[in-house]
Amino acid sequence: DTAVSQTPKYLVTQMGNDKSIKCEQNLGHDTMYWYKQDSKKFLKIMFSYNNKELIINETVPNRFSPKSPDKAHLNLHINSLELGDSAVYFCASSQDFTGGPRGTQYFGPGTRLTVL
Amino acid sequence: GENVEQHPSTLSVQEGDSAVIKCTYSDSASNYFPWYKQELGKRPQLIIDIRSNVGEKKDQRIAVTLNKTAKHFSLHITETQPEDSAVYFCAGPGRGGNKLTFGTGTQLKVEL
Repeated sequence: DTAVSQTPKYLVTQMGNDKSIKCEQNLGHDTMYWYKQDSKKFLKIMFSYNNKELIINETVPNRFSPKSPDKAHLNLHINSLELGDSAVYFCASSQDFTGGPRGTQYFGPGTRLTVL
Repeated sequence: GENVEQHPSTLSVQEGDSAVIKCTYSDSASNYFPWYKQELGKRPQLIIDIRSNVGEKKDQRIAVTLNKTAKHFSLHITETQPEDSAVYFCAGPGRGGNKLTFGTGTQLKVEL
């Protein structure tokens, strides 16, 4: 009965490879997010979808491509992985996209990506 | 850049002392300010929040205060314990005020 889940938990891969991370939420939320957390612990937002539509697309290399097949799922595909992509990637969801209580974000457990 | 600033970036206190983390924001239209705690290797989790119709909210050893005039809000932890050691994030209005934006985080270390 996990609220926000991500797979895989750990991902170790070589430079140049392509990989995907999957996220699912069973909270009935409309909005989902991808964050990158580097060694400095900053939570940098990458993308956000609301009802399957892209609403936030921060300055992220176009090697990163999100996909939302339905509002309960948000996947992240990364092409041509680079050393600097090593980080923990968190998925999150919220009821809606507002800055109020309905915008409270609930996080998945994270995916630790290591690029060798 | 984003519109939520958080200070300090690191904070070390002795067990039993108090810890205070401050955040400032620029969008005066916002009415909701949550705080998250992220333990080592874990996900950020909501620990307390405050809405703009109150100036202070308390939950056991943690409290949040909000000063809307000065546009800042603070997390107060009293009688700190080793398990309080974590990274704490505030969140507030981002660009355009229509989404929550996270502060840069505070690494709190409670020393024995």
